[in-house]
Amino acid sequence: DQQVKQNSPSLSVQEGRISILNCDYTNSMFDYFLWYKKYPAEGPTFLISISSIKDKNEDGRFTVFLNKSAKHLSLHIVPSQPGDSAVYFCAASGGNAGNMLTFGGGTRLMVKP
Amino acid sequence: DAGVIQSPRHEVTEMGQEVTLRCKPISGHNSLFWYRQTMMRGLELLIYFNNNVPIDDSGMPEDRFSAKMPNASFSTLKIQPSEPRDSAVYFCASSFLRSGGYTFGSGTRLTVV
Repeated sequence: DQQVKQNSPSLSVQEGRISILNCDYTNSMFDYFLWYKKYPAEGPTFLISISSIKDKNEDGRFTVFLNKSAKHLSLHIVPSQPGDSAVYFCAASGGNAGNMLTFGGGTRLMVKP
Repeated sequence: DAGVIQSPRHEVTEMGQEVTLRCKPISGHNSLFWYRQTMMRGLELLIYFNNNVPIDDSGMPEDRFSAKMPNASFSTLKIQPSEPRDSAVYFCASSFLRSGGYTFGSGTRLTVV
């Protein structure tokens, strides 16, 4: 049973446009959400996070939106750059899971010049 | 800070052989996680240590897998005997606080032939 799902395995976007990556979760006890970015042959690196007490968190070109009623979060990248091409994982923690993160399957973003 | 250090970076072994993957977490981090990345399952948690004690090993696929953390600066993941379906990238991650999530190592790419 996948508690965190990223239904789009890949996404292609033109440079300068907005990239929107989506993530759904099923566990209502999750209260902290993160996005990680992974380049080939490297480990995932932390990108941005959001607590369930907020519905938006912004860091430069990256904004994460949380819709608790829909159990849905999204990552917006504006404007997209070729260097943003990577695999993006969303992750969640909370409730009985404590510090443990549950990851989605990842979305491969390709930003075309 | 050198980050989370994993060794080896690549391992090719024959089916039936024992494989040991190593991880040195970031000094001061009190949680350590072993993940496996595959095309089918994305990032799946294998085992989680807190203060060197295994907390959740429900993700360990079979008895062929075992993990130890003899001290705060070292952990191993052992597969014995290895099988071709164990081929994947294995990541180690460590953390101290939930904010910012985990720091991942660069991973060990395991190929069992």
